[in-house]
Amino acid sequence: NAGVMQNPRHLVRRRGQEARLRCSPMKGHSHVYWYRQLPEEGLKFMVYLQKENIIDESGMPKERFSAEFPKEGPSILRIQQVVRGDSAAYFCASSPRQGVNEQFFGPGTRLTVL
Amino acid sequence: GESVGLHLPTLSVQEGDNSIINCAYSNSASDYFIWYKQESGKGPQFIIDIRSNMDKRQGQRVTVLLNKTVKHLSLQIAATQPGDSAVYFCAENMVHTNAGKSTFGDGTTLTVKP
Repeated sequence: NAGVMQNPRHLVRRRGQEARLRCSPMKGHSHVYWYRQLPEEGLKFMVYLQKENIIDESGMPKERFSAEFPKEGPSILRIQQVVRGDSAAYFCASSPRQGVNEQFFGPGTRLTVL
Repeated sequence: GESVGLHLPTLSVQEGDNSIINCAYSNSASDYFIWYKQESGKGPQFIIDIRSNMDKRQGQRVTVLLNKTVKHLSLQIAATQPGDSAVYFCAENMVHTNAGKSTFGDGTTLTVKP
């Protein structure tokens, strides 16, 4: 059983470009969570999605950030017009169903904005 | 507001000694707590969890203690090994309301000296 997969592992973008981060949850998991981790800090919740639905996006910045989890394919975290402050590690976690709190984390995507 | 914090940012122990990592939380409504281990360049890895109806839970070489009166959580690692060197995060959750959204502390870096 493959774990949570994220790609790319490292992404470099120049200011103003778009960043697309992908997350494939564990097999059988239909709940996906995105977290952001700044250097020397803990993870901060961004968004919680189920297939084709955004359940909780209370941690998402109001502008430039969006997330989706289509019926087919991976979950996508999209950052438009990136700025240097977006440089961070972005982690995806999945769980099999709502109410199950144990989350399995992917290896993360490290975004660097030049 | 909500916060989960750790008392010490770094901890250095000798191989074979026991380690104790502490965590304070402020949201008295939290009823589920998790400890994660994060090695360099990797995603958080689940270690152990505890629900608020318990005050102690043991795993393999690890014990989590929960003191709801003072909103304090600790992780005890017995016979610490070099492979235990990592950053440890506590996280809090509310089983029935947050549907998996966790609030993380900033982490304690554990260094095990051989």
